[in-house]
Amino acid sequence: DVKVTQSSRYLVKRTGEKVFLECVQDMDHENMFWYRQDPGLGLRLIYFSYDVKMKEKGDIPEGYSVSREKKERFSLILESASTNQTSMYLCASRPILGANYGYTFGSGTRLTVV
Amino acid sequence: AQSVTQLGSHVSVSEGALVLLRCNYSSSVPPYLFWYVQYPNQGLQLLLKYTTGATLVKGINGFEAEFKKSETSFHLTKPSAHMSDAAEYFCAVSEAGGYNKLIFGAGTRLAVHP
Repeated sequence: DVKVTQSSRYLVKRTGEKVFLECVQDMDHENMFWYRQDPGLGLRLIYFSYDVKMKEKGDIPEGYSVSREKKERFSLILESASTNQTSMYLCASRPILGANYGYTFGSGTRLTVV
Repeated sequence: AQSVTQLGSHVSVSEGALVLLRCNYSSSVPPYLFWYVQYPNQGLQLLLKYTTGATLVKGINGFEAEFKKSETSFHLTKPSAHMSDAAEYFCAVSEAGGYNKLIFGAGTRLAVHP
């Protein structure tokens, strides 16, 4: 069964810490995405990567960065965590010519910054 | 630019009743349309999608949706609700051009009561 795996389901970090959220997919997909999900705000795109070492800002990139050194792995980095980054983070992937495929999502990481 | 509107952030039905979740989209080109379901503390799972061809699309768990171009709608239905259908549902349209990213609606939370 194809999968997108997020390394942590629940994470608690302190304000000011550097936080890494990891996402790995085993489907050889070129496109990978990071979203955050907050009540009443739906899914908001933080960053996406259309291929290895390539990245594009989404709608809310401030306070975040990403890394894509290998095709299967896409990392989201919170440079200095703040309480307003407490959220559910969702990773997704899709083949490069997959406009009609839809995304495959991971199970999410619920991050709490205290 | 494409957009998606889901009418009703919360919908409540009785077990056995018809489920109708509304989705309207705007797109300047023939769209690819998707419905996703999210169970508590999980990622999003693809329910069904419309790409081309038959406008009535059947998905998993007894759900179906009909693409109506004249109404720019893609409403999700299920004839008889089960308690296990309680979840959040997201409609999405594939962006035309660029990286064909998915544009998500704000979501509809479905409650099913006995």
